[in-house]
Amino acid sequence: DAMVIQNPRYQVTQFGKPVTLSCSQTLNHNVMYWYQQKSSQAPKLLFHYYDKDFNNEADTPDNFQSRRPNTSFCFLDIRSPGLGDAAMYLCATSSLRDSYEQYFGPGTRLTVT
Amino acid sequence: GNSVTQMEGPVTLSEEAFLTINCTYTATGYPSLFWYVQYPGEGLQLLLKATKADDKGSNKGFEATYRKETTSFHLEKGSVQVSDSAVYFCALLPNAGGTSYGKLTFGQGTILTVHP
Repeated sequence: DAMVIQNPRYQVTQFGKPVTLSCSQTLNHNVMYWYQQKSSQAPKLLFHYYDKDFNNEADTPDNFQSRRPNTSFCFLDIRSPGLGDAAMYLCATSSLRDSYEQYFGPGTRLTVT
Repeated sequence: GNSVTQMEGPVTLSEEAFLTINCTYTATGYPSLFWYVQYPGEGLQLLLKATKADDKGSNKGFEATYRKETTSFHLEKGSVQVSDSAVYFCALLPNAGGTSYGKLTFGQGTILTVHP
């Protein structure tokens, strides 16, 4: 089945230690998104790629970076995680073929100790 | 700008009760409307959707009708089960019938707990 995969499902990192979360997709969608979600609140869009074009949300902290080496993969890098960065991180994809409906991965739960 | 307002939660029901979660929206044009469900510890799953006025989305016994005159997309289920306990998010996509790329706007989410 075509899908959005996130690894790992659970990640523990130390305060200030860089961490990378990964997302891959088999849908061949050209748009990929990263969201941050805290305790059953609505997901908050951090940034997205439209093909290779990176689009940062105005209020996304500089501590958060992203890379998209190819269509299938997208990474979220947190350069110096703080306690406030503990959250669920959701990856999603979309394309014109699917009317830009967003398909979500299972998420990565990040704990900062 | 676009916005989505959901009824305040949490909602607690007994099994087999009728469920309504209200959702109203503000948007220009003709957005697509979605209900997502999030089970504990999981990502978001699309529950149902509607892309134009008067469309009814349905899945797993849940239904919602796109009402442009009242700008609403209320979620209903006739008989809830314990396994329906989750967080429900209403969302809109300002994509003009699927041809225009836009960002999802979410409601604040409604926590549903169903007791046996």
